[in-house]
Amino acid sequence: NAGVMQNPRHLVRRRGQEARLRCSPMKGHSHVYWYRQLPEEGLKFMVYLQKENIIDESGMPKERFSAEFPKEGPSILRIQQVVRGDSAAYFCASSPRLTGSTGELFFGEGSRLTVL
Amino acid sequence: AQSVTQLDSQVPVFEEAPVELRCNYSSSVSVYLFWYVQYPNQGLQLLLKYLSGSTLVKGINGFEAEFNKSQTSFHLRKPSVHISDTAEYFCAVTHNNNDMRFGAGTRLTVKP
Repeated sequence: NAGVMQNPRHLVRRRGQEARLRCSPMKGHSHVYWYRQLPEEGLKFMVYLQKENIIDESGMPKERFSAEFPKEGPSILRIQQVVRGDSAAYFCASSPRLTGSTGELFFGEGSRLTVL
Repeated sequence: AQSVTQLDSQVPVFEEAPVELRCNYSSSVSVYLFWYVQYPNQGLQLLLKYLSGSTLVKGINGFEAEFNKSQTSFHLRKPSVHISDTAEYFCAVTHNNNDMRFGAGTRLTVKP
C-alpha cells in the first residue's frame, strides 16, 4: 500500500496518560501535515513538518502537544497528559516536494483518540 | 492569510436530484482550490482541484466545480446524486501548499 499510513486507527487513553500517533507519508513525500477534526467541526491545521524540521506549528496548542519527523521513521504526534478535550480524530497528510507540487495533500485514514 | 467559508453545514437531497455545495474563500493572493470528500470513519479523498486555466473543473464521481474569481467562490455541483454520495465534503484553499485551510464541511445526505 503506497498511501499515507496512520497508526493506531483507534486509541483509548485515560486522563493524564500520553498518546502517540504515528504517520508514514507516501513514498517519495517529504512534507507531513497534522490536522485535528473535532465532532461537527472541520479540519484544523496543527503542524507542518519536513524531515527533521518543524516548518509551521502555528496550530499546535502551546502545551502538552509536540510533533517530530525524524530522518528515519514515521512522523509522530505526541500528546502528554491527555484531557477529555483532546478526544478527536487526528489526520496526517503528506505531499511531495514543493517544487513542481500541485498543492494536493494526500490523507491517511486518521487516528481516533478517545480520552476517558 | 486565506480562509474558507462553507455556507451550508447540512444539505439533504433526494436521490437523482441535482445538488450544489457552496464554498467561498478569501485571499489576497492567487490560490489553489480543492474539494475533498470524507466517507464515514475514513480519511479525506480528493474530488477535484483548480490550479489554473479553465474555470470549470471536472472531478471524480461526476462532480464538477466552477471557479469564480469575481465572486471568490468555488461551488461544487452534481446533476444527479446517488445514495453513495452521502458523505462530508470539504472545500480547501492554499496558495503555497504550506498552509492549506479547510472549511467546516458540508454534510450531504442523499435520501431514497
